[in-house]
Amino acid sequence: DIVMTQTPLSSPVTLGQPASISCRSSQSLVHSDGNTYLSWLQQRPGQPPRLLIYKISDRFSGVPDRFSGSGAGTDFTLKISRVEAEDVGVYYCMQVTQTPYTFGQGTMLEIK
Amino acid sequence: QVHLVESGGAVVQPGRSLRLSCAASGFTFSDFAMHWVRQPPGKGLEWVAVTSYDEKKKYYADSVKGRFTISRDNSKNTVYLQMNSLRAEDTAVYYCARDCCSRQAGWSPGNWGQGTLVTVSS
Repeated sequence: DIVMTQTPLSSPVTLGQPASISCRSSQSLVHSDGNTYLSWLQQRPGQPPRLLIYKISDRFSGVPDRFSGSGAGTDFTLKISRVEAEDVGVYYCMQVTQTPYTFGQGTMLEIK
Repeated sequence: QVHLVESGGAVVQPGRSLRLSCAASGFTFSDFAMHWVRQPPGKGLEWVAVTSYDEKKKYYADSVKGRFTISRDNSKNTVYLQMNSLRAEDTAVYYCARDCCSRQAGWSPGNWGQGTLVTVSS
């Protein structure tokens, strides 16, 4: 199975400042079809998860453009350009390239 | 808009069975793959299973393979998770999710339901 490792596990940030979360996979996430199925999800307290980014950098419907994804192969990054109060929660990367699909451990984003 | 409602969660004894349902609305159900993902209390997310739009492709997490079965009824806009031989470690909130983009095995879980709690305990 592909292991997804996120860093940091906790990230205190100041409102209005940028934030960044890294995700590394134990093997390349490039699919045989040429796409890389790496997603980022947000889970606010008490809420179900919400898809932010799929295929490394495509924003899902309704996701603000302050969220962006980048990376290739085994190393990926989620960036929030200016953190807002509503961004507090746990962020997960997920690989959907090879079954069984797997999640990272989660990164808790909190406000300083 | 996409709406997913899970049901069927309950408290069950180890070794027993349970079937979860997820009713979908607001989109053409037969056009999308569907996932089940679970989350033990206070812990992270674990992908459980996915079915393609036509059930020809079904994949499972190693932890549930041989015990859980995903299925769908496109005439009822509903996806199911049949869970047999339940164990204490299956205790979790179970979410169904529509794939964001694909009819096949999946690009990513996109829209999610609110979840249903399954507790396995004697």
